[in-house]
Amino acid sequence: GDSVTQMEGPVTLSEEAFLTINCTYTATGYPSLFWYVQYPGEGLQLLLKATKADDKGSNKGFEATYRKETTSFHLEKGSVQVSDSAVYFCALSDLNNFNKFYFGSGTKLNVKP
Amino acid sequence: GAVVSQHPSRVICKSGTSVKIECRSLDFQATTMFWYRQFPKKSLMLMATSNEGSKATYEQGVEKDKFLINHASLTLSTLTVTSAHPEDSSFYICSARDGGPGEYNSPLHFGNGTRLTVT
Repeated sequence: GDSVTQMEGPVTLSEEAFLTINCTYTATGYPSLFWYVQYPGEGLQLLLKATKADDKGSNKGFEATYRKETTSFHLEKGSVQVSDSAVYFCALSDLNNFNKFYFGSGTKLNVKP
Repeated sequence: GAVVSQHPSRVICKSGTSVKIECRSLDFQATTMFWYRQFPKKSLMLMATSNEGSKATYEQGVEKDKFLINHASLTLSTLTVTSAHPEDSSFYICSARDGGPGEYNSPLHFGNGTRLTVT
């Protein structure tokens, strides 16, 4: 079945450091891939998405590339800020079961000034 | 962009009472909405899929009689936690897609969640 695996957190970085949060997936079909961000006490916000292989999603300095050959969708940012501190979720939606989103376990990011 | 509004954001109730949580799609119609539960330091657990005009589809292990879902219109779904107990305390989040059937590449849009505390 479909699933998403994320790197365990928390990830602690200093401001302006480079960020990578790994995400790999298993899917029976051709999924669309998403990154969501959750700030404390809030719901999830869509950060970026990619709908087919080699697509790159980007938003607010974050990027992720849909890699079919490695079944990965790693999140990156060149220079993190304190305001990026949040929990990040990788997710997929599969055409074979379009009503369901499969979420990773979430990775908490702490950015220190 | 698509906005999902969830109300209330926080609720405290006594054990044995019922609590209703509302989820509205403000600028789009949602034939399907989804209810999630999030435990501390855990990912989201899909509880049920709410279908406008028909019965909700519950995930395995979710009690239908405890978590009543109603989707009376294309913009409103409600989750009622009946006879709440302290173990029902959690963060409940609703979501909806603004795409039609087959729009699997359209994202989910989430409400801001409801923090339920049962004393």
